[in-house]
Amino acid sequence: GAVVSQHPSRVICKSGTSVKIECRSLDFQATTMFWYRQFPKKSLMLMATSNEGSKATYEQGVEKDKFLINHASLTLSTLTVTSAHPEDSSFYICSAIPGLAGNYEQYFGPGTRLTVT
Amino acid sequence: EDQVTQSPEALRLQEGESSSLNCSYTVSGLRGLFWYRQDPGKGPEFLFTLYSAGEEKEKERLKATLTKKESFLHITAPKPEDSATYLCAAQSTSGTYKYIFGTGTRLKVLA
Repeated sequence: GAVVSQHPSRVICKSGTSVKIECRSLDFQATTMFWYRQFPKKSLMLMATSNEGSKATYEQGVEKDKFLINHASLTLSTLTVTSAHPEDSSFYICSAIPGLAGNYEQYFGPGTRLTVT
Repeated sequence: EDQVTQSPEALRLQEGESSSLNCSYTVSGLRGLFWYRQDPGKGPEFLFTLYSAGEEKEKERLKATLTKKESFLHITAPKPEDSATYLCAAQSTSGTYKYIFGTGTRLKVLA
């Protein structure tokens, strides 16, 4: 149980284009999802908290207009990197919380490797 | 300020050589302390949740313990397949479910 998927697993795009990454909870409903970015040999950096049906809460220093987050249903959140540039190349990981009483564990997706050329 | 620190940063063990990883935390109120394993190029895999001081959890060769200031992940007789980065994260009672992650311990177990 508690499986989270991400699509695509890898994407290469040209500078200036936009890329959408999907995060799905496959066997549970997730009222809250998170988006992280991870640099090589570093820990996870929280970008934003996504709540179903409401606007995402972004961490300090994360550009809302560049990283668009939509949490349209209890099983799907999307991250769109708009006008991507090489510095946006990174490993993006999402996580989801089942939202059951007393269960605060985050379950992570497999990650998406974004390369901007 | 809420903070989580892990040590050591990297650890090399011989197969069968038991050791412990440390996670020190400072949070205004601890809701939970979480351990994850992460393999290169993959998302973190959930291992344990600890909620209160004195609590212990075990899974195969891993055992996690919790005090009021730190958590330990004990690895007994490790095997090469235990090689990974181990992450701990604290969640405060502040009203959100955000994690405060440590920087991780990169474990390498040599055959």
